[in-house]
Amino acid sequence: GAGVSQSPSNKVTEKGKDVELRCDPISGHTALYWYRQSLGQGLEFLIYFQGNSAPDKSGLPSDRFSAERTGGSVSTLTIQRTQQEDSAVYLCASSLEGTGLTYEQYFGPGTRLTVT
Amino acid sequence: GDSVTQMEGPVTLSEEAFLTINCTYTATGYPSLFWYVQYPGEGLQLLLKATKADDKGSNKGFEATYRKETTSFHLEKGSVQVSDSAVYFCALSDQARQAGTALIFGKGTTLSVSS
Repeated sequence: GAGVSQSPSNKVTEKGKDVELRCDPISGHTALYWYRQSLGQGLEFLIYFQGNSAPDKSGLPSDRFSAERTGGSVSTLTIQRTQQEDSAVYLCASSLEGTGLTYEQYFGPGTRLTVT
Repeated sequence: GDSVTQMEGPVTLSEEAFLTINCTYTATGYPSLFWYVQYPGEGLQLLLKATKADDKGSNKGFEATYRKETTSFHLEKGSVQVSDSAVYFCALSDQARQAGTALIFGKGTTLSVSS
């Protein structure tokens, strides 16, 4: 079946512009995660959605970052007023459930964001 | 907070050599431990996992044992192949979070295997 998909695969933007990154999780997966992979910081957790519960936003680095998940499926990560330090690969993952048993997280190919 | 430390790379080996990539962790609770692999041009894939002390995860000839006494989860393979060239990430599930099992990753170790 289809895996996690992300779009765009690459995004180049100018400093100060807003960007939106999209994630389509695996059908039926109720948990969705966003991570950021950068050279200096490695892989960092950003935000987590589980069903209709309030998202866990504890990993977001600043209030310029926000995310939503519509209809319990597709998620959009928005970065406002982008800065050069936002340049990274943004990874989305989904799993069957986020609480209780540890379910495998399936990762998308990522969106490479470059802020010039 | 919880954290994962893995050996710096790159690791360069000849085909059929023995591989060890060290991983240690700090955690307040009882995390699950994972190794993820990222092949060139591909996304992260789960390689193996262990959910409690003394569990051994294994897959594709790779093994790792959850050692609570040494807080370690070292990755080993007896005979590497060129196709094993990739970046390997050690990770733990953050049990401290109220909801979800967000992963905490090490910085990754690049393995390069030559024929």
